[in-house]
Amino acid sequence: QSVLTQPPSVSGAPGQRVTISCTGSSSNIGAGYDVHWYQQLPRTAPKLLIHGNSNRPSGVPDRFSGSKSGTSASLAITGLQAEDEADYYCQSYDSSLSGWVFGGGTKLTVL
Amino acid sequence: QVQLVQSGGEVKKPGASVKVSCKASGYTFTSYGINWVRQAPGQGLEWMGLISAYNANTNSAQKLQGRVTMTADTSTNTAYMELRSLRSDDTAVYYCARVAKLGSHDYWGQGTLVSVSS
Repeated sequence: QSVLTQPPSVSGAPGQRVTISCTGSSSNIGAGYDVHWYQQLPRTAPKLLIHGNSNRPSGVPDRFSGSKSGTSASLAITGLQAEDEADYYCQSYDSSLSGWVFGGGTKLTVL
Repeated sequence: QVQLVQSGGEVKKPGASVKVSCKASGYTFTSYGINWVRQAPGQGLEWMGLISAYNANTNSAQKLQGRVTMTADTSTNTAYMELRSLRSDDTAVYYCARVAKLGSHDYWGQGTLVSVSS
């Protein structure tokens, strides 16, 4: 059971928009800790996609965007492409656990 | 360019220990912490612990305390993670990752598969 809750899977057709939610609590996201998002392609290391809730590292397309409100955060992907098919993870810090926490991951399928 | 290069895969028997290395290059090693994260087969990411390359302070996940030791050698810019009393459920890919400002992980090693089996 992950501290941050994500839907196990989402899907969308090419060109469509999908969102992935990440729900936490008052000891992590709700406490003001930043949320970060990672993309993991099969058999590769995770790649930082969004940092500091809504900031894209250099090289990440602007089709990816992040937001945070209260105890939750969301990742939005617009203009879906086949290459976006991957697992996505949210991550924050938890003061009760005194450590980093991840969501369980969401598998994105491009139909 | 920033790189984290990890040691090769390991096969261990239950009860043994494993030590994984993570050699950093392309940045000032002592300016960033290194987190260790593992991923069991078909499962999600699990934070294991942090080491500050600046002062060697560590913080590990409660469930691993007593079994995990993280160290850093500033002369070779290499971080190490040792896990003892291995069990079958420790079978996973182990990653090192640089901790950036605000707590994100901006660079990751390629991963090291540790298989625990009798």
